[in-house]
Amino acid sequence: RKEVEQDPGPFNVPEGATVAFNCTYSNSASQSFFWYRQDCRKEPKLLMSVYSSGNEDGRFTAQLNRASQYISLLIRDSKLSDSATYLCVVNNMFSGGYNKLIFGAGTRLAVHP
Amino acid sequence: NAGVMQNPRHLVRRRGQEARLRCSPMKGHSHVYWYRQLPEEGLKFMVYLQKENIIDESGMPKERFSAEFPKEGPSILRIQQVVRGDSAAYFCASSPYRTGENEAFFGQGTRLTVV
Repeated sequence: RKEVEQDPGPFNVPEGATVAFNCTYSNSASQSFFWYRQDCRKEPKLLMSVYSSGNEDGRFTAQLNRASQYISLLIRDSKLSDSATYLCVVNNMFSGGYNKLIFGAGTRLAVHP
Repeated sequence: NAGVMQNPRHLVRRRGQEARLRCSPMKGHSHVYWYRQLPEEGLKFMVYLQKENIIDESGMPKERFSAEFPKEGPSILRIQQVVRGDSAAYFCASSPYRTGENEAFFGQGTRLTVV
């Protein structure tokens, strides 16, 4: 089983649509969680952190369910500029006292007019 | 505060040559990660370094690949005797080591093409 699994996509949606990405992780001791965005041939950039209480940033809402080891990202009123690959990222603490970011394979989103 | 700097941005090597990829972390960051991304695939962890120490190299191929992060200067990812399968984007990320501030910031990557 992969450490972080995402819907493979691609998701093709019209402008204005609401789209939801799902992610599951295998390590119940994972400490922190993020969504990154990666544009074609560019580096990943942090979109938002994910907190147990859920958090919102404009049109983006992230949710975390520790019991189910499940993370989600909801994008409302999608824009053409939202077209990108969305990466679910889990930060695990190791016995040596260090953290390591584990990336999902990403879900591609294409928003069309 | 400059971001994570990687160079070169693009690197072309013939089979059998050596590739050296450089990464300067953000100011104040002493933790560096290297990731590899093959075309149409996700990022795969390669190695995690702190200054002068390799913390986790579980993602590094057993042969031809090495990494260092000296006391002075950038982190270097070195690939000896490159093969076509090494063609990929190599991303470096840096992070501060404080609880709650453990997201990573990425450089623009080095795209290695082996011909």
